[in-house]
Amino acid sequence: DAKTTQPPSMDCAEGRAANLPCNHSTISGNEYVYWYRQIHSQGPQYIIHGLKNNETNEMASLIITEDRKSSTLILPHATLRDTAVYYCIVTPPGANSKLTFGKGITLSVRP
Amino acid sequence: DAGVIQSPRHEVTEMGQEVTLRCKPISGHDYLFWYRQTMMRGLELLIYFNNNVPIDDSGMPEDRFSAKMPNASFSTLKIQPSEPRDSAVYFCASRRTGTGNGYTFGSGTRLTVV
Repeated sequence: DAKTTQPPSMDCAEGRAANLPCNHSTISGNEYVYWYRQIHSQGPQYIIHGLKNNETNEMASLIITEDRKSSTLILPHATLRDTAVYYCIVTPPGANSKLTFGKGITLSVRP
Repeated sequence: DAGVIQSPRHEVTEMGQEVTLRCKPISGHDYLFWYRQTMMRGLELLIYFNNNVPIDDSGMPEDRFSAKMPNASFSTLKIQPSEPRDSAVYFCASRRTGTGNGYTFGSGTRLTVV
């Protein structure tokens, strides 16, 4: 599975957009980009995933560059409850694919 | 939908004792995963099942660890004998077949071995 690189931490002001970057320069053509987050003391929570096109759901937007070597998770209006560790994971399709978590990026949303 | 249910939430046991962690996946999910999380090693995949059959147990650290899934609605992770270095948060997750489906994680079991 392709490796991902994320900065260790970042912060943003409440109400502003949080843009979380992820580098996956060795991604293969059929590998998906998944984002999960883990709020303190809770289990990881699925946010969004994509292959080539940009994706949006009720939680966030995922922007994948045309060469697919990097992506950005966007939380459009961050709240204090968005403070968490965010994991960017690349995984191939297929029934038996599995998620391998890295260290993630710690997002701190300040009042 | 009650989500993935794990029990107990907290477990404190003495070194050498047997520990059993339990998980009830979401109904209709055919994959079940066991993860362990520590500060040092982060989230590690221990083992996963498909249709109650173990597919990959390469992450199980030692023979002291074993996992079973006797039916589609129940799985156990057993540590016998337990050691202080097994102290961690153990998460169970389930997923339904299909690339569009993310994992749903339980709330975890915090295990402390003294």
